[in-house]
Amino acid sequence: AQKITQTQPGMFVQEKEAVTLDCTYDTSDQSYGLFWYKQPSSGEMIFLIYQGSYDEQNATEGRYSLNFQKARKSANLVISASQLGDSAMYFCAMREAYSGGGADGLTFGKGTHLIIQP
Amino acid sequence: ETGVTQTPRHLVMGMTNKKSLKCEQHLGHNAMYWYKQSAKKPLELMFVYNFKEQTENNSVPSRFSPECPNSSHLFLHLHTLQPEDSALYLCASSQTSSGNYNEQFFGPGTRLTVL
Repeated sequence: AQKITQTQPGMFVQEKEAVTLDCTYDTSDQSYGLFWYKQPSSGEMIFLIYQGSYDEQNATEGRYSLNFQKARKSANLVISASQLGDSAMYFCAMREAYSGGGADGLTFGKGTHLIIQP
Repeated sequence: ETGVTQTPRHLVMGMTNKKSLKCEQHLGHNAMYWYKQSAKKPLELMFVYNFKEQTENNSVPSRFSPECPNSSHLFLHLHTLQPEDSALYLCASSQTSSGNYNEQFFGPGTRLTVL
């Protein structure tokens, strides 16, 4: 079973509109972290935002916010006032309970290809 | 150089060749990672190194051999690869953390094609 599910393979959005990218996750751990990364066509993964499972407030970073609904196991990324430069692949990822040593790999979803249209 | 660098950026090799991918991080981190990104598949974690010690091998075939001589450098030695190994190989680094916050900084990747 997939641990991270992103149900939107692709999205077209008009410039300056807000966009929501969906992410649901599956874990039995109580302690976990959720991440969103952006991957432009150049290939590099760029960290956008983080939400911890015990964080009571939804995370925000500039134009990015995370709509965290713990009971539904949902961590949607919201981009306000989209720009042409936002066109890229977006990946949701999860780090499950700290396994010791402090270095744990992330589990990624398949991603959403977002295209911003002028 | 800043951040995480990877060389080469592109590599084409035959199935009988031996080649190596190099990753270097300039962030003072102590953990490094190799990920594989194949077309239409999620990123797959391959290896994790923490303070030069391998802490995770995600059932990777032995034709991929990692090496971490120090916390700043990570190599992936390749030999006898198959065409299905063609992918983007991404290196990442992070500062070890006892909590769940583990922001990983990625390099630009090596686009590998196996003929």
